[in-house]
Amino acid sequence: GQQLNQSPQSMFIQEGEDVSMNCTSSSIFNTWLWYKQDPGEGPVLLIALYKAGELTSNGRLTAQFGITRKDSFLNISASIPSDVGIYFCAGRGGGSYIPTFGRGTSLIVHP
Amino acid sequence: SQTIHQWPATLVQPVGSPLSLECTVEGTSNPNLYWYRQAAGRGLQLLFYSVGIGQISSEVPQNLSASRPQDRQFILSSKKLLLSDSGFYLCAWSAAGLEEKLFFGSGTQLSVL
Repeated sequence: GQQLNQSPQSMFIQEGEDVSMNCTSSSIFNTWLWYKQDPGEGPVLLIALYKAGELTSNGRLTAQFGITRKDSFLNISASIPSDVGIYFCAGRGGGSYIPTFGRGTSLIVHP
Repeated sequence: SQTIHQWPATLVQPVGSPLSLECTVEGTSNPNLYWYRQAAGRGLQLLFYSVGIGQISSEVPQNLSASRPQDRQFILSSKKLLLSDSGFYLCAWSAAGLEEKLFFGSGTQLSVL
């Protein structure tokens, strides 16, 4: 089946720093997604990417659909304490219409 | 607007007891419905999904079952809980044709002791 490797597993940063995380796949995807899960809540969709090379922003968040279609990146600029949570990448492709999720990147922001 | 309700928020159950978690969606018709489990420190594992009343697809063979008795109601059940069933259970919905845009409930933290 499809497998996603998400890294890093966790990040501890100072407020104001920029953050980068990525996700790689063993398969080609036609859709890449980034979700954020606040503590004790369900994940919320941040950004959806539908085309190789696509770069999309949502406020301080920017995500890119890799050219090879096997990877995606999420950047957060000027982090703030409310950015704390788990960020999940998810990909869809290979005939499955349901996204496959990565294991998540846990982000902690120190004020 | 669409909303998803999931309850209870937390549950502590003894090994061998039954389980019933309920999820309802409002403000939309014929949604796709999903049950996920999130074990501590791990990602989201898809357990079941449904594209219509009475239609259930199981992704992982296990001790759990799901049912969809009404269009916007999705139930996760077990006859006898195991210790390994502990985890954070999430219900989600998506519109048909927009399966990448999942909307999650607030989850149920299940502890089996």
